Amino acid sequence: QSVLTQPPSVSAAPGQKVTISCSGSSSNIGNNYVSWYQQLPGTAPKLLIYDNNKRPSGIPDRFSGSKSGTSATLGITGLQTGDEADYYCGTWDSSLSAGLFGGGTKLTVL
Amino acid sequence: QLQLQESGPGLVKPSETLSLTCTVSGGSISSSSYYWGWIRQPPGKGLEWIGSIYYSGSTYYNPSLKSRVTISVDTSKNQFSLKLSSVTAADTAVYYCARHPERAAAGTVWGQGTLVTVSS
Repeated sequence: QSVLTQPPSVSAAPGQKVTISCSGSSSNIGNNYVSWYQQLPGTAPKLLIYDNNKRPSGIPDRFSGSKSGTSATLGITGLQTGDEADYYCGTWDSSLSAGLFGGGTKLTVL
Repeated sequence: QLQLQESGPGLVKPSETLSLTCTVSGGSISSSSYYWGWIRQPPGKGLEWIGSIYYSGSTYYNPSLKSRVTISVDTSKNQFSLKLSSVTAADTAVYYCARHPERAAAGTVWGQGTLVTVSS
């Protein structure tokens, strides 16, 4: 069981918006930056969001991130079938002095 | 463009030591501000952070694996390595190496991953 809690799955129709939550504690999300990763089947994870809400070069602005207290949220607008993937949140835990990932959320675009 | 490539045996016997190396190309492992880490993913499951190292040798480890893990760096070869001792079937996973900023789980640069199976 992951220290960071994500919903196992979310779904939405093409063109719609979806949000994925990531809940932690003061020792991790509450006091460290959150990043989000997209993993397409059979591939390595890809960074979508870093430092809570920044997008690396090449990531479309359909993807957004936010953080409030000990929770973070990934938002995806204008859903496309190509967005079907597993999404993971990640952060650092200051008490453990270790990196953490959420359990992952499978996005289905109906 | 920075690239990472994992290498090592794809099959390890139970109770033995898993050893993997990550070769960094297109950049120096001694660049400041970045750590070099290992992450694994058992088949059909989520990501698990294993640990990371700075080019100076400073390390961080997952507390649940700390007693079995050693991560080392060889700046002359632009490589860093993972050793996981006393492996069991539960250690079967795709192992990724990655570069990340300090106080982060991972970053923009990942290796393609290598499957390691623990079986006799």
